[in-house]
Amino acid sequence: DAGITQSPRHKVTETGTPVTLRCHQTENHRYMYWYRQDPGHGLRLIHYSYGVKDTDKGEVSDGYSVSRSKTEDFLLTLESATSSQTSVYFCAISPGSNQPQHFGDGTRLSIL
Amino acid sequence: EDQVTQSPEALRLQEGESSSLNCSYTVSGLRGLFWYRQDPGKGPEFLFTLYSAGEEKEKERLKATLTKKESFLHITAPKPEDSATYLCAVLSGYSSASKIIFGSGTRLSIRP
Repeated sequence: DAGITQSPRHKVTETGTPVTLRCHQTENHRYMYWYRQDPGHGLRLIHYSYGVKDTDKGEVSDGYSVSRSKTEDFLLTLESATSSQTSVYFCAISPGSNQPQHFGDGTRLSIL
Repeated sequence: EDQVTQSPEALRLQEGESSSLNCSYTVSGLRGLFWYRQDPGKGPEFLFTLYSAGEEKEKERLKATLTKKESFLHITAPKPEDSATYLCAVLSGYSSASKIIFGSGTRLSIRP
């Protein structure tokens, strides 16, 4: 299995609070991705990174920010959480943009 | 608009009953198509990559094929442990314009 760890695995928080999710990899892959998965929508890309301090927006980036200060860590931040951001969040990694991505086991985030 | 559609949404089979899952796509500049398996509470697990029409890949009871408009995941003599959601994802475009789109998945259930 690809060495990907997501933390926390579960989180419940209140509307308006900041939330940070962490993805840690031990594979030294260049690319890292954050997705959200919702019923009926499949996996949707939030942000991705193609190197340290190099990031770009995905399909559903509004309300989210990311940072990557080290190759192995990719952080996803919800500055002010809203109920519409209740979802399961997955981190993925890949060595190149045209190579398959490998996923972590997700973070289940509930915003009340 | 680029689109990936998987059918059927759900499929129930008897153990040993072979069938196929479909992934149809309309994208500009296909660079690759990926199949994943996802178990409840887990992240997607990579199965296959297909890069060009006519290509086929096999793994145990699974065989993936690709045409210019769709991909099939054939499952031969399935067992209960093959029960999962199967996702396809299409990679299109190049460089900064490249993107990956996931289908919503097919929930496969195999009865003993």
